[in-house]
Amino acid sequence: GIQVEQSPPDLILQEGANSTLRCNFSDSVNNLQWFHQNPWGQLINLFYIPSGTKQNGRLSATTVATERYSLLYISSSQTTDSGVYFCAVEGGGSNYKLTFGKGTLLTVNP
Amino acid sequence: DTGVSQDPRHKITKRGQNVTFRCDPISEHNRLYWYRQTLGQGPEFLTYFQNEAQLEKSRLLSDRFSAERPKGSFSTLEIQRTEQGDSAMYLCASSLETNQPQHFGDGTRLSIL
Repeated sequence: GIQVEQSPPDLILQEGANSTLRCNFSDSVNNLQWFHQNPWGQLINLFYIPSGTKQNGRLSATTVATERYSLLYISSSQTTDSGVYFCAVEGGGSNYKLTFGKGTLLTVNP
Repeated sequence: DTGVSQDPRHKITKRGQNVTFRCDPISEHNRLYWYRQTLGQGPEFLTYFQNEAQLEKSRLLSDRFSAERPKGSFSTLEIQRTEQGDSAMYLCASSLETNQPQHFGDGTRLSIL
């Protein structure tokens, strides 16, 4: 099946700093989503981005499908941005299930 | 759009008991998915429904697990004779069609004593 690798596994920032999270995948995809899992376990949809670039406030994402990677940018980080960020893809011959990476644990300190 | 709803939020039970979880997808979403997440890992796919038909099951879904989606609306996931290893967060998601984003519920956290 398709493989998803996220980096870095852990990231500690001071409030106000910017960061870039990366997601590499091993096969062509027809769906790619970024999620934020908060400390209560809720998975929040950030972006549906199988290709191209999107922006939502302080967050933006870019997927370069031909090179099999996606980037999530967080600018002017806030303590509420803390949590785990997951990249999940649907592809590699599957048109139904999402395969998740192991996530990036982000801690934003005040 | 009220989002995906899961019930209960938490379930604590003794080993060997049966448990059942419910998921109500976003209305008009044809596809419904179940995932399981253990501590420190990303969610893993368990099974998926297109309307009322269960079209795919992961090898993670042992014969103690069964899922249904009667009439293509809500879905239930039952675990029989629970084991310690079943302790996890069980997540439900729904989507309108293929190549559409999946929307997740808040999950049911299962703890086996």
